[in-house]
Parts: sequence; structure tokens; C-alpha cells
Amino acid sequence: QVQLVQSGADVVKPGASVKVSCMTSGYTFTGYYIHWLRQAPGHGPEWLGWINPTSGGTKIAQKFQDRVTVTRVTSVSTVYMELTRLSYDDTAVYYCARSGIVMMPSARLDFDSWGQGTLVTVSS
Amino acid sequence: DIQMTQSPSSLSASVGDRVTITCRASQTIIRYLNWYQQKPGRAPKLLIYAASTLQTGVPSRFSGSGSETDFTLTISSLQPEDFATYYCQQNYISWTFGQGTKVEIK
Repeated sequence: QVQLVQSGADVVKPGASVKVSCMTSGYTFTGYYIHWLRQAPGHGPEWLGWINPTSGGTKIAQKFQDRVTVTRVTSVSTVYMELTRLSYDDTAVYYCARSGIVMMPSARLDFDSWGQGTLVTVSS
Repeated sequence: DIQMTQSPSSLSASVGDRVTITCRASQTIIRYLNWYQQKPGRAPKLLIYAASTLQTGVPSRFSGSGSETDFTLTISSLQPEDFATYYCQQNYISWTFGQGTKVEIK
């Protein structure tokens, strides 16, 4: 079955960086895009960006373009999201999720599978 | 950015009730609208995509309708496992979510 398994919770200091991993299995890694989202307490999810696992190409939401980097290692079917210059407002649960291929006509772009979430707490 | 507004923000209902949640987009999104269910401490779960198509494995008591800017999620007969928060999400331009509707036990 399709699985997305994320790395564990992390506590980071203001100004530092965090890197979250998302290990996928149960499907062809290059057949789907992987997205990153976050959810602050009491809020709906917020989209951060996606990666094309085939090419490594990415698209990052404008709000995060200078702070978010998404990469992948195809040999282990794993995607990584790094967020830099963290502030208290970045405290949230971070999720990876799968969608169809963004550039393909008629592709489904909903998120049909999600990781379990990674709590990132920014604290001094 | 396309803004998604859900109503109500919360509701109380009893098992067996018919429940309707609405979602309005700030501009037309055709039918690029999805619905998710989220329980505390869990990731969102896809219920409906493309406004009205039931995701595989989702019970038929869930249904979706609407187009352009106005959409509805209906639960025909609320079950104990349906008490959760529901989110609408558009993927017409990028991806944005509503603020959520919490369905609580009356």
C-alpha cells in the first residue's frame, strides 16, 4: 500500500534551520509529485511547494521562496524539505503529500496520500 | 491568491443527522475543489475530489456538489466516526484550503 513516512518531531531555535524527510513506498516514486504543506494549531493546511521526483524540479510558494528548499534522493524514494531562518510563527505540523503529475493534462492534483506529519517547534 | 471560505466554522449534530457544509471561492475554480476530513493528531484524509467524485473507500453517505464559486459537502446520515474537522481545498490555481468546519457531537 502507498505509504509516506516522515521524520520525527524537532525543536529548533529561532534563526536556525530544519530539514524534514518523507520516505515513500508502495508506488512508483517518479509517477507522482510530492508536496509539502504545514498546519499551524487551529488553522487549515498551507501549501509550501512541490517537487517533480523525476527531474528534481521544484515550485515553491512565493511566500516561502527564499526560505524553503525541496530535494529528493531517488535511490531511496525520499523527499526532503528544508526551512531556513525559522521564527516562532513557523511552529507547525509539516506534512508531505502526493498528487498526480502537475504538468500533465487531466492529472488529479488533489492530495490522495499524506505523511503522518512532523511537529516542528521553534523555541529558544 | 484564491481565498476559500467555509461555513459554518463549527456545528453540533447528532448521530443520524443530515449535515451540510458550504465552501465559497473568491473567484471561479470551475470544479477544482476537494474535501478532506481531519481527526485530531492525524493527517487530512481525502474524501471527495473534483467537486463530486468520491475517493475510493469513502462511504457513500458523503457527497459533494457545486461549481464555479459555491460548493457543498453533505453527510446524509452522520455516524460516530464522522465527528471531525472538514476542509475544502482548491487546486485551480496553486493550492489553498478553507479554515475548516468542526463537526461536534450534540
